[in-house]
Amino acid sequence: RKEVEQDPGPFNVPEGATVAFNCTYSNSASQSFFWYRQDCRKEPKLLMSVYSSGNEDGRFTAQLNRASQYISLLIRDSKLSDSATYLCVVNMEETTDSWGKFQFGAGTQVVVTP
Amino acid sequence: NAGVTQTPKFQVLKTGQSMTLQCAQDMNHNSMYWYRQDPGMGLRLIYYSASEGTTDKGEVPNGYNVSRLNKREFSLRLESAAPSQTSVYFCASSDVPRGGEQYFGPGTRLTVT
Repeated sequence: RKEVEQDPGPFNVPEGATVAFNCTYSNSASQSFFWYRQDCRKEPKLLMSVYSSGNEDGRFTAQLNRASQYISLLIRDSKLSDSATYLCVVNMEETTDSWGKFQFGAGTQVVVTP
Repeated sequence: NAGVTQTPKFQVLKTGQSMTLQCAQDMNHNSMYWYRQDPGMGLRLIYYSASEGTTDKGEVPNGYNVSRLNKREFSLRLESAAPSQTSVYFCASSDVPRGGEQYFGPGTRLTVT
């Protein structure tokens, strides 16, 4: 079983709609979680950090469910520019103070259509 | 600030050739990383350097060596390239006290024939 798993998609979303997808992780001691965005053939860029019960940044909301060991990302009012692959990243060390060994998911592709 | 820079952007090697991928960051970060990204597999950590003067193996270190030349620079060397090393290589850096968010370079696309 992979340590971090994501639905590869693609999630085809009409412009203006809401899309949500999950990322599951196997290490129950993981403390910090991140969502990165990767455009085609470009480098990943940090979208959001998820440290406790979740957080919100504009149209993006990230949630953490420790009991079921997954994090989610919700995008409201989708824009064409939201089309990208979204990578889930989990810090596999046991404390947030450690420098971290990050485990990346393979990514979820989102395609926003006009 | 340039952030994280990588050279070269593209490279084609023949099996058995060697090369060094260069990475530099100007954000005064302590930690630096080398990843490879293959289709459907996500990014996999090759080597990392928690701070200047230290390096450690990641998930897939075989066939690679690294050098943390100073705080800014972290290079990745392929001593004898193999077709299985065809991949996109990303360098990243992070400032640990800020929570481990990583900043990536633009990547090097390597093909080994």
